[in-house]
Amino acid sequence: NAGVTQTPKFQVLKTGQSMTLQCAQDMNHEYMSWYRQDPGMGLRLIHYSVGAGITDQGEVPNGYNVSRSTTEDFPLRLLSAAPSQTSVYFCASSYGRGYAEAFFGQGTRLTVV
Amino acid sequence: GNSVTQMEGPVTLSEEAFLTINCTYTATGYPSLFWYVQYPGEGLQLLLKATKADDKGSNKGFEATYRKETTSFHLEKGSVQVSDSAVYFCALPVSGSARQLTFGSGTQLTVLP
Repeated sequence: NAGVTQTPKFQVLKTGQSMTLQCAQDMNHEYMSWYRQDPGMGLRLIHYSVGAGITDQGEVPNGYNVSRSTTEDFPLRLLSAAPSQTSVYFCASSYGRGYAEAFFGQGTRLTVV
Repeated sequence: GNSVTQMEGPVTLSEEAFLTINCTYTATGYPSLFWYVQYPGEGLQLLLKATKADDKGSNKGFEATYRKETTSFHLEKGSVQVSDSAVYFCALPVSGSARQLTFGSGTQLTVLP
């Protein structure tokens, strides 16, 4: 029952460093997405993918890159970390057709100092 | 585009109290509506949903009715438990997308024994 697995759970970066947040799902879901959660702002969509090889921007894509080389994996890259990227990041996946329940990972708490 | 406004928290109740968390929406047409719950240290999980007007979603003693007249989808529970302490999010699909969700800002519920 792995579902959606995110690593790491916690990370501290210095300003300007880069890193990749990993996300993997074992449910053969076509649709995957990354959100950030900030106090009082709910979840905001960063990037999403409707299938392997296809990605698109969400509401707040600046400073982040994604790729989708396989159905299972959807890593999120921070190119040059900034304090404004301090947040909790969630990866989610769902089936491809119509609306289907989104399954979320446990989140990565990132602090940029 | 579609949007959701959610009652601000935090909400603190005693065990067995009645719970209402307000959610109103703005949408084109009549999209599905959702409540997600986030327990401490975990990702979001679907609590309940309603797919058309006048539908009532229910799960774990929680209920919400899709009311198009008042554009509302309020979450209710007749008798809360300490284990219901969590953050609750109202959500609906982004305009023109069946799979992207837009979330409310979340309501923190704390239930005291």
